Amino acid sequence: AQSVTQLGSHVSVSEGALVLLRCNYSSSVPPYLFWYVQYPNQGLQLLLKYTTGATLVKGINGFEAEFKKSETSFHLTKPSAHMSDAAEYFCAVSDKRPGTASKLTFGTGTRLQVTL
Amino acid sequence: NAGVTQTPKFQVLKTGQSMTLQCAQDMNHNSMYWYRQDPGMGLRLIYYSASEGTTDKGEVPNGYNVSRLNKREFSLRLESAAPSQTSVYFCVQGGQGNTGELFFGEGSRLTVL
Repeated sequence: AQSVTQLGSHVSVSEGALVLLRCNYSSSVPPYLFWYVQYPNQGLQLLLKYTTGATLVKGINGFEAEFKKSETSFHLTKPSAHMSDAAEYFCAVSDKRPGTASKLTFGTGTRLQVTL
Repeated sequence: NAGVTQTPKFQVLKTGQSMTLQCAQDMNHNSMYWYRQDPGMGLRLIYYSASEGTTDKGEVPNGYNVSRLNKREFSLRLESAAPSQTSVYFCVQGGQGNTGELFFGEGSRLTVL
């Protein structure tokens, strides 16, 4: 079984400040991890993903995340927030069993507010 | 959200009515999924289809049925709608390979009165 916990349902930062959205996972196999972003009235869009290899992954719009196996974490960061970053962010883990359709388990989401 | 088209975008039903959410993808990928999104609960998998002709239950399948009509189309049916099925529904297609990356439709907002 796999699960994802996102700490903080709402995070508020000032424009230009560091963004840190927390995600911890539980998985019985080496995980594939994802961050998705959802803007109002839209579907989710992939922000970045970790599969294998380098543990620091870079995504779109200046976001990055670091896979830390010892801490079972995959926190999302951005050095300087922009107003356009205001959205809801979802962390997800894949069960990635070979030969079958991978099913993602999502966290409950963190709504990011960016203030002037 | 290019590649996944779902209809209708909005629907209001009365308890006990039935309806079908339609979904089509144009990326020629094998796997397709239906998720529902509810405030504070994230997204939960209803059903998925690993390939044409196969379907499997997800986390919350009760009250729903699906049909994988062909490789492009994957529909979700509510036979007798209940207020608990008020939600936003997303049709999703899987990416190439087995990385787990998903591509979402724009969603269908369903209200059951």
